[in-house]
Amino acid sequence: GENVEQHPSTLSVQEGDSAVIKCTYSDSASNYFPWYKQELGKGPQLIIDIRSNVGEKKDQRIAVTLNKTAKHFSLHITETQPEDSAVYFCAATFGNEKLTFGTGTRLTIIP
Amino acid sequence: DAGVIQSPRHEVTEMGQEVTLRCKPISGHDYLFWYRQTMMRGLELLIYFNNNVPIDDSGMPEDRFSAKMPNASFSTLKIQPSEPRDSAVYFCASSLIRGKEQYFGPGTRLTVT
Repeated sequence: GENVEQHPSTLSVQEGDSAVIKCTYSDSASNYFPWYKQELGKGPQLIIDIRSNVGEKKDQRIAVTLNKTAKHFSLHITETQPEDSAVYFCAATFGNEKLTFGTGTRLTIIP
Repeated sequence: DAGVIQSPRHEVTEMGQEVTLRCKPISGHDYLFWYRQTMMRGLELLIYFNNNVPIDDSGMPEDRFSAKMPNASFSTLKIQPSEPRDSAVYFCASSLIRGKEQYFGPGTRLTVT
């Protein structure tokens, strides 16, 4: 089945610096790659996504890049703020309807 | 829109009891997904529905788990009998488009003692 690997599992950055989280996937047919942010006690919240026909997408301080040849995609957060502290999950489609999730990255922003 | 609604938010029960978790998807969404989240296994897809019909239940751990979707605005996940290893957070998510954006509810934290 589909496998999504996510690194690192924990990440601490100084407020104002950038954070990068990387994921790789195994199914070359995957065509949709969302990123979710999960705060303590809440459900995962979709923050950005990218489709396989696009190499990069940006939304304010958040950007996602996709390399289909290498089968990896990354989340970039610039000018980090304390409210960015959360667990971030990447995901990839499997079988066109299901999402397989990475294992999560706990991001801590140090004031 | 109120988003995906789940109830109860917390459930504590004793081993052997029946547990029913409830979900109301976002209005108009044709896909409904049930996930389980644990520290050990992360986010696992249990089952999903399209137009109220179960499409893939390969993630359901065993026969003690069952899910239904009697109409477009309501789904249940039932565990009978419950066991301590079922303790987890259970999420419901819904989607409008096949294979695209899924929106999650707040989850139900289940503790089986």
